[in-house]
Amino acid sequence: AQTVTQSQPEMSVQEAETVTLSCTYDTSENNYYLFWYKQPPSRQMILVIRQEAYKQQNATENRFSVNFQKAAKSFSLKISDSQLGDTAMYFCAFMTDNNNDMRFGAGTRLTVKP
Amino acid sequence: DSGVTQTPKHLITATGQRVTLRCSPRSGDLSVYWYQQSLDQGLQFLIQYYNGEERAKGNILERFSAQQFPDLHSELNLSSLELGDSALYFCASRRTLRDTQYFGPGTRLTVL
Repeated sequence: AQTVTQSQPEMSVQEAETVTLSCTYDTSENNYYLFWYKQPPSRQMILVIRQEAYKQQNATENRFSVNFQKAAKSFSLKISDSQLGDTAMYFCAFMTDNNNDMRFGAGTRLTVKP
Repeated sequence: DSGVTQTPKHLITATGQRVTLRCSPRSGDLSVYWYQQSLDQGLQFLIQYYNGEERAKGNILERFSAQQFPDLHSELNLSSLELGDSALYFCASRRTLRDTQYFGPGTRLTVL
């Protein structure tokens, strides 16, 4: 079975500091894609970052970067220079070439404190 | 704005009733996905359509059904509603199997 685990239900960080959200997954597939989605209080699901498993280089989008460890099946999200607008639920998600659906973790609620 | 639209934004109804949620995918996207998010929980995949045909089914109840029309918009029908069906229902679309899914704003369903 393909599963996604986010072991941190809640986290907090001071504004301007750095925080890392953890995600592990389980799959026997070799070709897959990993995502982090942000869900602010508006409840909109917003794509933060995407990583292809065949790429060794970690994806980066401005203040957001990932640490993708394929052998360990780990996919953490680092948010640098945290801003108040980063306060949201963050979901890690996983998708393969063979499956049509996307599997989501349970989410981590991040609060950025002023 | 993801380009995916969903209507209505909010829906309040009573137990035993039937409702229809509507989704229009991004221009050019052939695949539509439906997800259910209960309060403070993750997203559960319900069903996927590709160019009018059902492609995958997840944890979708028999009381729920969906379809995708020739203009590629999709509808999710929920019948014999129960209190536990209260949730946020998301639609997402993507162009190919390797593309990212882009989500609509969701429809919040409240069953009283």
